[in-house]
Amino acid sequence: QKEVEQDPGPLSVPEGAIVSLNCTYSNSAFQYFMWYRQYSRKGPELLMYTYSSGNKEDGRFTAQVDKSSKYISLFIRDSQPSDSATYLCAMSSSGGSNYKLTFGKGTLLTVNP
Amino acid sequence: GAVVSQHPSRVICKSGTSVKIECRSLDFQATTMFWYRQFPKKSLMLMATSNEGSKATYEQGVEKDKFLINHASLTLSTLTVTSAHPEDSSFYICSARDRVSGRTGEQFFGPGTRLTVL
Repeated sequence: QKEVEQDPGPLSVPEGAIVSLNCTYSNSAFQYFMWYRQYSRKGPELLMYTYSSGNKEDGRFTAQVDKSSKYISLFIRDSQPSDSATYLCAMSSSGGSNYKLTFGKGTLLTVNP
Repeated sequence: GAVVSQHPSRVICKSGTSVKIECRSLDFQATTMFWYRQFPKKSLMLMATSNEGSKATYEQGVEKDKFLINHASLTLSTLTVTSAHPEDSSFYICSARDRVSGRTGEQFFGPGTRLTVL
């Protein structure tokens, strides 16, 4: 079993739809959870950062973490064509000096106008 | 804030030559920088972690003599692909951790360098 599982999609939705993206993980040591957005041929851009379980909202984006189920989600409300990108979940455990990230494979999202 | 740049953005070279890629943190100091490789439609694969002033730590399966990493200052790390071959063609991305305000695990990524070896 891979440490982080993420459905690669592709996912295609109409403009204005609510998008739900998720990842599951197996390493219970993960405590820091991130969502990155990556446009084609660009570097990833940090969207959301959460620590431990709970919800975090930032504009149209909501990140949820359920550590008991080892499941994290990213919701995008009122999706826009400009949201079309690959979304990567990433996780890190505490401790250690290098703070390495473990990434999911990424989900390719297309929002159709 | 938290901007990371990479240079060059794209490079094409002949087989057997060496290529150097620079990664700079523009508005923060980065004690730790990371180098990733990404194949088309695949996720990021961590190659190595570099700490300012010390030797890089390479991931299993990454050739140290092939991918030379130098992190000489708090704002600059370089990756040199030595004696490049077509199989080294890929998208190379660096990231950096803010020394002062970086949250655990938080990394800021550069725009990437596309290397094509003919």
